[in-house]
Amino acid sequence: GAGVSQTPSNKVTEKGKYVELRCDPISGHTALYWYRQSLGQGPEFLIYFQGTGAADDSGLPNDRFFAVRPEGSVSTLKIQRTERGDSAVYLCASRPDSSGGELFFGEGSRLTVL
Amino acid sequence: QKEVEQNSGPLSVPEGAIASLNCTYSDRGSQSFFWYRQYSGKSPELIMSIYSNGDKEDGRFTAQLNKASQYVSLLIRDSQPSDSATYLCAVETGRRALTFGSGTRLQVQP
Repeated sequence: GAGVSQTPSNKVTEKGKYVELRCDPISGHTALYWYRQSLGQGPEFLIYFQGTGAADDSGLPNDRFFAVRPEGSVSTLKIQRTERGDSAVYLCASRPDSSGGELFFGEGSRLTVL
Repeated sequence: QKEVEQNSGPLSVPEGAIASLNCTYSDRGSQSFFWYRQYSGKSPELIMSIYSNGDKEDGRFTAQLNKASQYVSLLIRDSQPSDSATYLCAVETGRRALTFGSGTRLQVQP
């Protein structure tokens, strides 16, 4: 596609529920990144994929968070047993590969956990 | 110590003035440096990238890098009200993903 696409743009859920956030990167971009941004803070790294494999998942805060990219294109961030502290904007970004250069961001998925 | 530090601001400058935004980083092995602009409610967009010591100019924007001092700055000349946004400094080290600072909020007063 023309840009990084994220769905849903807004998600409101109740504490304890399961949530999936989807990211469709720019066509041909093999590197895909997930960040989380809380109000007044910069994006916080969660995980990145080079192709289908997670090259670095050191930013995932705990085992309730998981991400997949089974075919090397679309990625899904999965959050189990959501907590109020998970409320944030989840940003996805991609670039041609992981060797460097500009990250292109999607518009984000705003998650609110009540 | 945070890996990438920025003054949160707000930095307020009058229209037409030069805005100076600063960033320090902790990892001496960092190789690539980026400035992103983020309008409220929007995603970050790249303004400048810089990889070697010195200045890099692009229109009204100049990025400055001093690796010995672990310092990156962004100068915006002839500031416009449309430049009002949060400016994020980002640093890349090795094969790791970009690490972002918390951002500096810039307000340009008409």
